[in-house]
Amino acid sequence: GGIITQTPKFLIGQEGQKLTLKCQQNFNHDTMYWYRQDSGKGLRLIYYSITENDLQKGDLSEGYDASREKKSSFSLTVTSAQKNEMAVFLCASSIRLGENTLYFGAGTRLSVL
Amino acid sequence: GEQVEQRPPHLSVREGDSAVIICTYTDPNSYYFFWYKQEPGAGLQLLMKVFSSTEINEGQGFTVLLNKKDKQLSLNLTAAHPGDSAVYFCAVSGNTGGLSGKLTFGEGTQVTVIS
Repeated sequence: GGIITQTPKFLIGQEGQKLTLKCQQNFNHDTMYWYRQDSGKGLRLIYYSITENDLQKGDLSEGYDASREKKSSFSLTVTSAQKNEMAVFLCASSIRLGENTLYFGAGTRLSVL
Repeated sequence: GEQVEQRPPHLSVREGDSAVIICTYTDPNSYYFFWYKQEPGAGLQLLMKVFSSTEINEGQGFTVLLNKKDKQLSLNLTAAHPGDSAVYFCAVSGNTGGLSGKLTFGEGTQVTVIS
């Protein structure tokens, strides 16, 4: 079996700060995803990457950048943290494009002061 | 696009009793259906993946029912135990081949099993 590792687990930022979240997977999956989880709102897709060096915008991409540096890693940048923002960011991967069973990491919990 | 409504948002159930979570979706062409379980501080774990051709699917301690006529997906927890306390999410996607990962998630149900 494989694992998805997200770092850091907890992230505290200041308003206006640029913050980067990292994700690594050892499944050798082609496709990776970033979701945002807000209480009572389910999961919303921010960015996904079909394969290395590919980037696709999701439904919530404004205010974020992403980078798929290599097949095993996918990072997400909050370009300017919003005051009092609190959310969990979940990274996921799937075997390939068209295979939509997702495997999730444990999440990064963001709080902005 | 697809919309998924999940009810109830919170559910308390006594140990040994059963509980039901229902998701209603809008796209009649939806093809894949998922239930995920999220324990505190963890990511989402896949409980079951259901194809549109199968109406009743049984897992360990739960049953998933798909009613395509009413566009409803349900998760029935049978004989709940403390380990079932978690947030449960349904997710739905179409049979679109090249648009992997375009799942639409429900809002989640917080299940608390009371001893």
